[in-house]
Amino acid sequence: DTEVTQTPKHLVMGMTNKKSLKCEQHMGHRAMYWYKQKAKKPPELMFVYSYEKLSINESVPSRFSPECPNSSLLNLHLHALQPEDSALYLCASSQSGGFGEQFFGPGTRLTVL
Amino acid sequence: AQSVTQLDSQVPVFEEAPVELRCNYSSSVSVYLFWYVQYPNQGLQLLLKYLSGSTLVKGINGFEAEFNKSQTSFHLRKPSVHISDTAEYFCAVSDLGGAQKLVFGQGTRLTINP
Repeated sequence: DTEVTQTPKHLVMGMTNKKSLKCEQHMGHRAMYWYKQKAKKPPELMFVYSYEKLSINESVPSRFSPECPNSSLLNLHLHALQPEDSALYLCASSQSGGFGEQFFGPGTRLTVL
Repeated sequence: AQSVTQLDSQVPVFEEAPVELRCNYSSSVSVYLFWYVQYPNQGLQLLLKYLSGSTLVKGINGFEAEFNKSQTSFHLRKPSVHISDTAEYFCAVSDLGGAQKLVFGQGTRLTINP
């Protein structure tokens, strides 16, 4: 299985809502990533987990809260978001200690009203 | 720190014509190099990668790229494009250690005209 899955595909939320994005991989990868991508821009790294521990937080606002419950799952908890947080959120995974190749999921299209 | 420059933001090409998408990088250490493709409303798919060895790398969908260390370039080529190649293409570099962060270029929008 060489796939990264993400749910939901689309999410619309108000600024006072709490929601979560989910990412799953069964490739045995021990590094997992969250990216944010705005239209016509490259993905921007948000968080990196390595062996289920948060290793990189790219100064992301606290209204985004990542969680890695086990080696196959990665969540992104959302609370009190702003309209400018509307974007495509991509999850990726890679072999830790490997060659840097990352496998991407299809993304969650988030709209904040 | 690494950086990646994709010299063309948009490349229009006629169907069945050849295409080259340009990518230059800068880094003080050895790097791995990647090309990813993103079709509309989808995630990124790896086209090809250079890790070491032969400087000519072949990927999926008929694409290839050549690593040129002296020019610090990793240009992507295809001898004959198809309408289905219309997409955004990202060049990326990763250093050899640490958290394996990918540094992306700004992307090149490839549009194939009939």
